Order: sequence, then C-alpha cells, then structure tokens
Amino acid sequence: SYELTQPPSVSVSPGQSARITCSGDALAKKYAFWYQQKSGQAPVMVIYEDSKRPSGIPERFSGSSSGTMATLTISGAQVEDEGDFYCYSTDSSGHLGVFGGGTKVTVL
Amino acid sequence: EVQLVESGGGLVHPGGSLKLSCAVSRFNFSGSAMHWVRQASGKGLEWVGRIRNKGNSYATAYSASVQGRFTISRDDSRKTAYLQMNSLRAEDTAIYYCTSLSYWGRGTLVTVSS
Repeated sequence: SYELTQPPSVSVSPGQSARITCSGDALAKKYAFWYQQKSGQAPVMVIYEDSKRPSGIPERFSGSSSGTMATLTISGAQVEDEGDFYCYSTDSSGHLGVFGGGTKVTVL
Repeated sequence: EVQLVESGGGLVHPGGSLKLSCAVSRFNFSGSAMHWVRQASGKGLEWVGRIRNKGNSYATAYSASVQGRFTISRDDSRKTAYLQMNSLRAEDTAIYYCTSLSYWGRGTLVTVSS
C-alpha cells in the first residue's frame, strides 16, 4: 500500500525556521496538504495544494513541493505552533487517500 | 461559520455495527467530496474513505483496512454524510472525523469492546 513518510519529530528554537518533509512517490504528480493538530483538538489545514495558505493561517506557514517530496516550513516559529503536523495526499490513481505518520513539532 | 458535527459514536461489541452521521452547515456540501478519517488513541490520522459529489457519480473509495466492512453514503438534501460500519473489530476503536479536507468536525468516539 502507498505510504507517505515524515520525520517523527522536529525541534526548533523560537524565531527559527522549522522544516517538515513528506516523501512519497506519487507526490511528483499529486498535491500535498498539511494539517496541524494540537492536543485534544481536530486537525486544521495550514497548506493545501502544495503551497496555498487558507485564510486565517499565519504567513509564517509555507509549503513547497519538488519531485517526490513536499515540505512545510514554519518561518519564525512561535511557541503556539507546537503540535503534530500531518501531510495528506493520494496514491497515483487519485482514488485512495493517505496521511503521513505525523511529525511532532516542539518549539523551545 | 462552517460546521461539521459528527454523531452516532459509542460502545459496540466486536462483530457489531454502528452508523455515524456528519451534519454540515454553512458549507457547499453538495459540491464537495466528503471523507472520513480516524485516529486511535495516541496514534496518527488514518484515512478511512471518501464519497465524491453528484457530478462525480457519488464515487466511493476505502482504505484496505475497512474495504468490504464500511460504507460511506450521503444525503445532499440533508447536508449529511454517513459512515456505516459493520463487522467491527477492536482495532476500529478510534475517534472518527468527517472532513471535506478543508473543514473538519470535532469527531465522535467509537469503542469496540466486549
């Protein structure tokens, strides 16, 4: 079955940049979406279609994609950005969805 | 404000059935695909399946772990999506979210236990 691979954890100091990668063969042809989930809450979309930011999401969140890897960057990370981040995409057929395993971001 | 509200969760015995509902408001429900995503306690998000809109023939797709046991349907007139879960197993225990991928509900807890 198709998988998206993320690093389990990323740590960053306040004000520094955090980069979270998501790798999968079909990402060369399919969009990546990124979600932030804080403890006890539902996920919130922070990036869609590789690099678009929904209204209300701070500009410090940005996304990019190249080849089989998508990247979420938090520029100038703040303490409130801590949480679990998940990438989402589909398999090459576009029929089956899949989430990455998640990356725990710590800002300290 | 867009709202997605799941309901129907609860405790069910292994082998039993449960039907979840997702009521949507202030959102273009009929034009959107709707997905179900679950999350076991302390684990990551798992895509369960989705149903496309009328223009895409209400096509459904499911993850291998639920294929043949779960069925997604929708009623555009009621702005509601459904997840029928049969032959439930302990490993189906999770919070179940409905989502358009842009918007998410708060989830409903399904516990499969004897």
